[in-house]
Amino acid sequence: SQKIEQNSEALNIQEGKTATLTCNYTNYSPAYLQWYRQDPGRGPVFLLLIRENEKEKRKERLKVTFDTTLKQSLFHITASQPADSATYLCARPSGSARQLTFGSGTQLTVLP
Amino acid sequence: SAVISQKPSRDICQRGTSLTIQCQVDSQVTMMFWYRQQPGQSLTLIATANQGSEATYESGFVIDKFPISRPNLTFSTLTVSNMSPEDSSIYLCSVWDRESGANVLTFGAGSRLTVL
Repeated sequence: SQKIEQNSEALNIQEGKTATLTCNYTNYSPAYLQWYRQDPGRGPVFLLLIRENEKEKRKERLKVTFDTTLKQSLFHITASQPADSATYLCARPSGSARQLTFGSGTQLTVLP
Repeated sequence: SAVISQKPSRDICQRGTSLTIQCQVDSQVTMMFWYRQQPGQSLTLIATANQGSEATYESGFVIDKFPISRPNLTFSTLTVSNMSPEDSSIYLCSVWDRESGANVLTFGAGSRLTVL
């Protein structure tokens, strides 16, 4: 089966530092990976998508990489702020690409 | 992007009862997805609701426990039947959306159920 794993359940970093979150997948490389942010009491919100043939994608302070050799995606938040504190989820397509399978999420806390 | 309204936003239920969650989308969509998020866990897909046909359930989920209706292209309901404390979860409705030329999921705010 196609699994997707996020290694860290929780990550605490100091404000201003770069947060790096890891997402690993098994079996074949998906056509793309997606990253979502979830705040308490809210549904996940889409942040970034990176395709298999893209090594890196940026959006403001966010950067995502896709390494098909390591079967891994890294999600970076530079110059982190307390407002970045949330749970971040990665997801891959499944079920003939008509569904998404989510990782367990990493809870990021940015300390002031 | 699509806007999804879910209700109730939260409820406290007694064991053995059933509760129906409603999901309204502000645009017509072919597929609507129902996810469950148990405390401290990630999202698990329960079923895909297609208008005009039976819902497709994922492994471990059955229609008798989670009946779904999809009367039109903007609305769906999920019923959690004969609830037990193990059903205490957040239930989320979602649809495919387009952003930056890609298919992404847009979610409702979720329905937090607590079963006593």
